[in-house]
Parts: sequence; C-alpha cells; structure tokens
Amino acid sequence: SQQGEEDPQALSIQEGENATMNCSYKTSINNLQWYRQNSGRGLVHLILIRSNEREKHSGRLRVTLDTSKKSSSLLITASRAADTASYFCATESQGAQKLVFGQGTRLTINP
Amino acid sequence: DAGVIQSPRHEVTEMGQEVTLRCKPISGHNSLFWYRQTMMRGLELLIYFNNNVPIDDSGMPEDRFSAKMPNASFSTLKIQPSEPRDSAVYFCASSFAGRSTDTQYFGPGTRLTVL
Repeated sequence: SQQGEEDPQALSIQEGENATMNCSYKTSINNLQWYRQNSGRGLVHLILIRSNEREKHSGRLRVTLDTSKKSSSLLITASRAADTASYFCATESQGAQKLVFGQGTRLTINP
Repeated sequence: DAGVIQSPRHEVTEMGQEVTLRCKPISGHNSLFWYRQTMMRGLELLIYFNNNVPIDDSGMPEDRFSAKMPNASFSTLKIQPSEPRDSAVYFCASSFAGRSTDTQYFGPGTRLTVL
C-alpha cells in the first residue's frame, strides 16, 4: 500500500513560475525524501528531510515538513523547461529500513 | 563512479520463458533494492537486501519471482515462468544504510515486455 500520496497528480505551469507539490503520509516517519524521474530514466534523489527538521533548501528547491499534519511540500522556484519530470515523495517509517514511494506528481514546464 | 548498473536495458520475451535481470550496486553500498514500476501500480518495492541478506521480500508478487545476492557486487531478479502481467520497468537501487535509509541511487531500469 502507498504511504505517501502526492497532490496534484499533474501540474502544468509556465517557465519562470514556481511549482509546489504536496505529499501526505499516514504513519510516523524517520525521514522523507523527494526524487525526480525524467521520462524513461531511473529516479534521482533530490533532497532528504529528517523528522526533526521543518525546512530544507537545496538550490531552487525548498522542502517543508509538518509532522503534526503528516505532510510535506516541495517548492521549485523559477522553474525551467528542464524541470519537466515526475516528482515522488518517499517515506521511511519508524522501525523500517525501506522507503515507500507515492504515485508521483507529473510536472510540465511550458516554455 | 559508474553508478548502479542494470542489464539488460530492454528485454522482450514470450510468456512462459525465464527472465533474469541483473544489477551491480555502487561499490561500498550495503543495501540493495528491487522495484517494479507500472502505470497502474506505480513504484513497488519487491525485495531488499542488507549486507547480501534478504530482509523483506513481502513485495514479491508470487513464487514465480525470486531474487539472489551472492555477493556485495551482484544481484539477480528471476521470473520463471514469465507472464504478460509481469511487463513493467524493473529498477535496482542501492544505498548505504546506517540506522535509517539514506539516499537511494537508482539504476536506469530494465524494461521488460512479456508477449
């Protein structure tokens, strides 16, 4: 069963705009990770946020984590055509050394 | 650093045939994961190994699927006999797992088509 659920399932925006994707999960976690998958490729790790962290930045990426609401968001600022991809959140539940991936958000950046 | 290596990249076979997918994890990583990705079911964890030992195979669909990791640098996922519903992209990923799962590095995947 899926632990994380991304919202929206698909997002289409203009180049230069910001893109926000959300992830909700059900059980207590050790960490939450975001991955990107370009069409026909494997997943690439973007950022990891631990359960005791609330916000993390990496370049144009900003991730927040609200453990009380069991939710996370990924913000991509100043989007570029190259950001077109599917984005997945993955959670590691407490006591389990494995990740469970959501269904992903398909992001399209229009030039 | 070559990353995670998977072979073959594409496999087309007929129903009933045996299929073997191969994975070489990143050197130094001690955890290896096999995933299956389909449009309908998304990305599913099939099995993972820690220090070459299978830890959780609860995601393996049925007895037709088996996985081995004879050493730290090689793993196989075998399907025997294959069925059309096994058609999917199969990913191998590796990581260095300490107390918790850190970054997983994915291979390029094997696209399996069973006719």
